[in-house]
Amino acid sequence: TQLLEQSPQFLSIQEGENLTVYCNSSSVFSSLQWYRQEPGEGPVLLVTVVTGGEVKKLKRLTFQFGDARKDSSLHITAAQPGDTGLYLCAGPEINSGGSNYKLTFGKGTLLTVNP
Amino acid sequence: NAGVTQTPKFQVLKTGQSMTLQCAQDMNHNSMYWYRQDPGMGLRLIYYSASEGTTDKGEVPNGYNVSRLNKREFSLRLESAAPSQTSVYFCASRGAGRGYTFGSGTRLTVV
Repeated sequence: TQLLEQSPQFLSIQEGENLTVYCNSSSVFSSLQWYRQEPGEGPVLLVTVVTGGEVKKLKRLTFQFGDARKDSSLHITAAQPGDTGLYLCAGPEINSGGSNYKLTFGKGTLLTVNP
Repeated sequence: NAGVTQTPKFQVLKTGQSMTLQCAQDMNHNSMYWYRQDPGMGLRLIYYSASEGTTDKGEVPNGYNVSRLNKREFSLRLESAAPSQTSVYFCASRGAGRGYTFGSGTRLTVV
C-alpha cells in the first residue's frame, strides 16, 4: 500500500506569514497532485508535478517535486485569509495506469490564515 | 459548465433505510469515482468506473453498490444504512489528464 503522509496536520498562522507543508512517501510516484478543499466544498486541483526536481509556481504558491519522486512540498508566500483550507496531496496508485487509473490521497494539512 | 453535480447535498437516514446518491458530469469524462471523507481518515475510494459499463471496487466497498447508468451518470446506493456510513461523500470524474474534478459533496448522517 502506498501511503502519502502530510505534515503538519494543522497549521494556524497570521496573514502575511510564509509557510511550507509537506507530502512524503516511502514509494516512488510517477506524478503528484495538490488539491485545495474549502469548507463545504469538494477538492479543487491546484497543480500536477511530474518530473523529479520540478518546481511549479501558481501566484504565491510554489510546488516542488522531490528529486527521487517520493516527496513534494507546497510553499505559500505572504499567506492571505483566502488561502485557508485543507491542502491534499495525491498520487496514482501503483499499477493503476490507463483506464484503471486511481489516486491515493494524503490526509491533508488544514491551514488557517488569520487576518 | 456545471462540472460534477451531486444530489442531494444533505441527507439524514435512519438505520436500515436505503438511498441513492446521484452524480452527473457534463465534461464527457470516461472515468468516475466515489469517495468518502471522514475526520482523520482522509479520502477513501469506495467504487470507481473506468468507462461506461464497467465498475470496480475500491478500498472500502462493503455496504455500497454502484451503477454507471451512462457516460454522464454514476450513482452510489446504500441498501441498508448503518451509523458507520455517516460521512461526506464525494463524486469525481477524470478525463484525459491526471487530475480529478470533484463535486461539492453529500453530507450523510445515519441515526
